[in-house]
Amino acid sequence: DIQMTQSPSSLSASIGGRVTISCRPSAPIRHYLNWYQQLPGKAPKLLISGTSTLQEGVPSRFSGSESGSEFTLTINSLQPEDFATYYCQQAYNSPLTFGGGTKVE
Amino acid sequence: QVLLQESGPGLVRPSGTLSVICDVSGGSLRSSHWWTWVRQSPQKGLEWIGEIYHTGTTNYHPSLKSRVHMSLDLSNNQCSLSLDSVTAADTAVYFCARGLRVGMGSADLDLWGQGTRVTVSS
Repeated sequence: DIQMTQSPSSLSASIGGRVTISCRPSAPIRHYLNWYQQLPGKAPKLLISGTSTLQEGVPSRFSGSESGSEFTLTINSLQPEDFATYYCQQAYNSPLTFGGGTKVE
Repeated sequence: QVLLQESGPGLVRPSGTLSVICDVSGGSLRSSHWWTWVRQSPQKGLEWIGEIYHTGTTNYHPSLKSRVHMSLDLSNNQCSLSLDSVTAADTAVYFCARGLRVGMGSADLDLWGQGTRVTVSS
C-alpha cells in the first residue's frame, strides 16, 4: 500500500492568513492526488482532484500543486468556514489511501 | 441532486456481523461509478474498505477481504456492507461514497453520505 505522510498534523492560523499543507507519498503517484476537507461531525468533501483541479463550487482561494513528489494544498485569505481538517488521498492505485489529516485551527 | 444516506445498527457485539446500508437517492446505482465504503476511527484515520460496481464487480481492502462483503440492490437503489467477526478495532464511523475511477484501480470520491457510527462492544 502507498503510505501518505501529511504535515503538519495541526496548525494555528488566522482569518485572512495563508495556510500550506504538505503531503508526501511513499511511492510515485504521478498526478493522482486529491484533497478533502472535513468539518467537525461531517463527511469529507472533495476539494481538489488530480493535484490541482478544483471541484465545482470550491473557492479559488484553494489551490493544489506538486513539486519534487511533494504535494501541497494552499489556502489563501483564510475564511472562518475553512477551519477544518484536511486530508490528502492517493488515487493512483488500489487500495486508495489517505494521509493522517491536518487540523487547521 | 444525488444524495447518499447510511443506516446501521449503532452497536454490534464482538464476533458478530456489522451490516450497514446506503440509500442512494436522486441518481442510479447503474451509473459509471464505483460505490465505495470508507471508515474513520481515531486509531486508523480514514480507511478504504472496498468498492462495488453495478455489474457486481467488487474490490476489497486486502486486510479486510476475508471478512467483508458488499452488494447492490438495484431495484431499491441501495448498496450494503457487511463485516464479519468484528472486534473493537472495527468501531468507526462508516461512510458510503461515490467513486469516479481514475489511476490504476483507484478513485476520486466525489460524493459522500453523512456516515453512521458503529460501536463494537459487549
